[in-house]
Amino acid sequence: AQKITQTQPGMFVQEKEAVTLDCTYDTSDQSYGLFWYKQPSSGEMIFLIYQGSYDEQNATEGRYSLNFQKARKSANLVISASQLGDSAMYFCAMRVPGTYKYIFGTGTRLKVLA
Amino acid sequence: DGGITQSPKYLFRKEGQNVTLSCEQNLNHDAMYWYRQDPGQGLRLIYYSQIVNDFQKGDIAEGYSVSREKKESFPLTVTSAQKNPTAFYLCASSIVTGLYGTQYFGPGTRLTVL
Repeated sequence: AQKITQTQPGMFVQEKEAVTLDCTYDTSDQSYGLFWYKQPSSGEMIFLIYQGSYDEQNATEGRYSLNFQKARKSANLVISASQLGDSAMYFCAMRVPGTYKYIFGTGTRLKVLA
Repeated sequence: DGGITQSPKYLFRKEGQNVTLSCEQNLNHDAMYWYRQDPGQGLRLIYYSQIVNDFQKGDIAEGYSVSREKKESFPLTVTSAQKNPTAFYLCASSIVTGLYGTQYFGPGTRLTVL
């Protein structure tokens, strides 16, 4: 069965520093998609970045990049130049191959310090 | 602007009452989803629908019901059979074609049972 694991319940980072949020996944399929979402205190889930299993390059979107290591089954989110507005919950997710279902990790709460 | 709307933002219900949460999308997505989120927790799938007039139970469907009469709309009814309905409810949608359709979310509805 597919599974997403986020082992960091909470993280602190100093403003303007970079931070890495960990995500490991478990699937026996070769074709899959991985996603990261940000959930601020307002509650809305905001899509950040996507990585396909066959993508040769790591995905990047502005200050967000995804460190994709397929052999290790990890898809860590890197936020560069952290801002106070980055303080939020971050969820890693995967679309279950062959279905239209998505599974989510338990999330990491990031606090950016001034 | 394309997006997903949920109403109401806050909802209060007395024990024993059914209540319906609205979800509308104008992204022309085929698939729609309902998730429940408890404080400090991840997302749990209640129901999802890949096409009009068809839907499937997720992991925690007991005490909930849905309908999909229109592509744009996927209302969720929380019935009196749901023993602990106080939670944050998120609606989402995604494209069906392709392997890696990104899931987009509405702003959520906070339901409180008095």
